[in-house]
Amino acid sequence: GAVVSQHPSRVICKSGTSVKIECRSLDFQATTMFWYRQFPKQSLMLMATSNEGSKATYEQGVEKDKFLINHASLTLSTLTVTSAHPEDSSFYICSAAGSGLQETQYFGPGTRLLVL
Amino acid sequence: GQQLNQSPQSMFIQEGEDVSMNCTSSSIFNTWLWYKQEPGEGPVLLIALYKAGELTSNGRLTAQFGITRKDSFLNISASIPSDVGIYFCAGQLWNQFYFGTGTSLTVIP
Repeated sequence: GAVVSQHPSRVICKSGTSVKIECRSLDFQATTMFWYRQFPKQSLMLMATSNEGSKATYEQGVEKDKFLINHASLTLSTLTVTSAHPEDSSFYICSAAGSGLQETQYFGPGTRLLVL
Repeated sequence: GQQLNQSPQSMFIQEGEDVSMNCTSSSIFNTWLWYKQEPGEGPVLLIALYKAGELTSNGRLTAQFGITRKDSFLNISASIPSDVGIYFCAGQLWNQFYFGTGTSLTVIP
């Protein structure tokens, strides 16, 4: 159980276009979803936390107009990188957590974004 | 967000050796988690610890939730080549998660 999928697994786009990444919890209801960015050989950098039905909470330094997050249901969250530029190229990983103290965080397989 | 102190940063060991890594924090947590990440993949949960003092095993992996609730360690016994990867600890307090900086493990056959 506790499977999180992410789509697409990799995407290449031209500079200036927008890219949408989907994160789904397949077998549990995720009250909270998290979006991370990871640079090569570095730890996970939390971008934002989203709770179903409410606005995402962004970490300091993350532009909310650039990285649009929607958590429309208990099993789906989307991250849209708007007007992507080469410096947005990175590995984006989502994770999902259910409610309660015993519910932990399960990660998706990640999305590799390359902006040309 | 806040990051935990994880050590060592990297390890190069011979196949068959035991491995130990740990995480410390200035804050207490309700839960300690250990993940493994392989290149190009998302982290995979290895062990979750829910009570101070708890010692939990998952095959050759053993992890403990420190009695002060501010630290945790992960041991891997008799390492094999497929143990290669980056290991992350995470502390959870309610719905807030804080990650360690990772321990990169290389196993030499």
